[in-house]
Amino acid sequence: DSGVTQTPKHLITATGQRVTLRCSPRSGDLSVYWYQQSLDQGLQFLIQYYNGEERAKGNILERFSAQQFPDLHSELNLSSLELGDSALYFCASSVDPGGGDEQFFGPGTRLTVL
Amino acid sequence: TQLLEQSPQFLSIQEGENLTVYCNSSSVFSSLQWYRQEPGEGPVLLVTVVTGGEVKKLKRLTFQFGDARKDSSLHITAAQPGDTGLYLCAGEGNNFNKFYFGSGTKLNVKP
Repeated sequence: DSGVTQTPKHLITATGQRVTLRCSPRSGDLSVYWYQQSLDQGLQFLIQYYNGEERAKGNILERFSAQQFPDLHSELNLSSLELGDSALYFCASSVDPGGGDEQFFGPGTRLTVL
Repeated sequence: TQLLEQSPQFLSIQEGENLTVYCNSSSVFSSLQWYRQEPGEGPVLLVTVVTGGEVKKLKRLTFQFGDARKDSSLHITAAQPGDTGLYLCAGEGNNFNKFYFGSGTKLNVKP
C-alpha cells in the first residue's frame, strides 16, 4: 500500500459524458501528478500540482482539467469523453516537486468509455 | 512524443536466467527512475539514478545510468517468477517537473 488513494477503482461511462477522478496523496506529500496509461503502454504524464498550484503540464487534452484543493487532494475532470479516453488513470504523489524525488503511485482508476 | 525507448518490449525467460533491459533516449535527463508494475496496480519505484555512470545494486538487480545521462540499463541475475511484471523507466526533464515514461518491458519468468 503506497498510501495514495484513488476513487473510483472502476468507471464505465458513455461517449460525450463527463467524469471526475479523485486522488488523495500520501500524508505530508504536497505534489500530485496525474498519468494516463493505455493498454500495454507506458505512462503519459498529464499534469502536476504542487501545494494547490499547477506546476507542470504534459500531454493533457483541453477536454481534461485538474485541480488540487487546500486539503491537497486532487481531482481530474474528463469531459466530452471519447472511446480513445479509455485507459488507466494514475495519480502519484511526492514530497517535493522534483529533483529525483520518489513518486508513490495510487492503484489507479480504470475508465471504460462505451 | 515518446522520448524514452525501452527494449525489448517483451521478454519470456526461464527461472535462473539472466536478462538486461535497456532504456534509451536522445535527451539528457536530470535523473532516471526504474519502476515495476504488476497487473491492476500502480508502478512501484525500484531505484533512482542521478549521476552519469552511476551503478546501483538492489539484491539481484543492477541498474546503470549512462555517462551522458541519456540511457540506462537494468540487469537481473538469476531471474525468479516473482520478477514477472512490467518494467518502466522514467526520465526526469531538466525542469524537474516532468517525468517521461518509456513504454515498458513486459517480463515473464517461467518456473
